[in-house]
Amino acid sequence: QITLKESGPTLVKPTQTLTLTCTFSGFSLTTSGVGVGWIRQPPGKALEWLALIYWDDDKRYSPSLKSRLTITKDTSKNQVVLTVTNMDPVDTATYYCAHTERFRESFDYWGQGTLVTVSS
Amino acid sequence: QSVLTQPPSASGTPGQRVTISCSGSSSNIGSNYVYWYQQLPGTAPKLLIYRSNQRPSGVPDRFSGSKSGTSASLAISGLRSEDEADYYCAAWDDSLSGPVFGGGTNLTVL
Repeated sequence: QITLKESGPTLVKPTQTLTLTCTFSGFSLTTSGVGVGWIRQPPGKALEWLALIYWDDDKRYSPSLKSRLTITKDTSKNQVVLTVTNMDPVDTATYYCAHTERFRESFDYWGQGTLVTVSS
Repeated sequence: QSVLTQPPSASGTPGQRVTISCSGSSSNIGSNYVYWYQQLPGTAPKLLIYRSNQRPSGVPDRFSGSKSGTSASLAISGLRSEDEADYYCAAWDDSLSGPVFGGGTNLTVL
C-alpha cells in the first residue's frame, strides 16, 4: 500500500532555510504519470499547494512562492526533498507530502504531516 | 484568499442530507476534475471523491460528488456524528499549472 512520511526540523529561525524530506513506499517515482507534491496548512487555516515533481522530473511551483522553493527527487532512496528559503513566522504550518498518479490531477495519498514552527 | 470558493461552515442534524459547494473558474473546475477531502481534527486530509464523482474504495456511498460548469458540490446523505470535519475541494488550475484548493468548509452535526 502507498505510504508517505515527512521528516525535518520542527523549529527553524527566521531567515533560515527549511529542508523537508518525504520518504515514500508502495510506488515508484519512475512510473509514468506519478508525482509527489508538498502542501502546507497554517494552524486553523486552509490547505495551500507548494510544489510538485513528476516521474520525468517535471517540476511545478506555486507562483506566489516559486522564488523560495526547490523540489528534488532521489528515486533510488524513494525520497522527495523540498527546500524553502528565507523562512518567516508566517510560514509556520503543518507541511504535508502527497502522491498523485497522473499529471493535472490532485492528490490521493497523503503523509501524516509535520508541524514546522518559525520562531527566534 | 483561496482560488476555489467554499462556504466557511455548514451544518445538519443526524440523518439529514447536506451539500457543500465549491466555486471556481474556467481554468480550474471548468476544465479539470474536482477532488474532495475530509480532514478530521489533528489528522491529514483524506480523499473522499476523485475525478469529480468517483469514490475511492472504503468511502461510504453516503458521500457523492458532482460538477457542473465551473462549480462542484459534495453531498453527504444520512449525516452521522463522525462526519463532523473540515471538507476541502481541489482541482488542477491550467493558469497556475498546479492544483488549487478551496478555503475549506467546517461541517457541524447538530
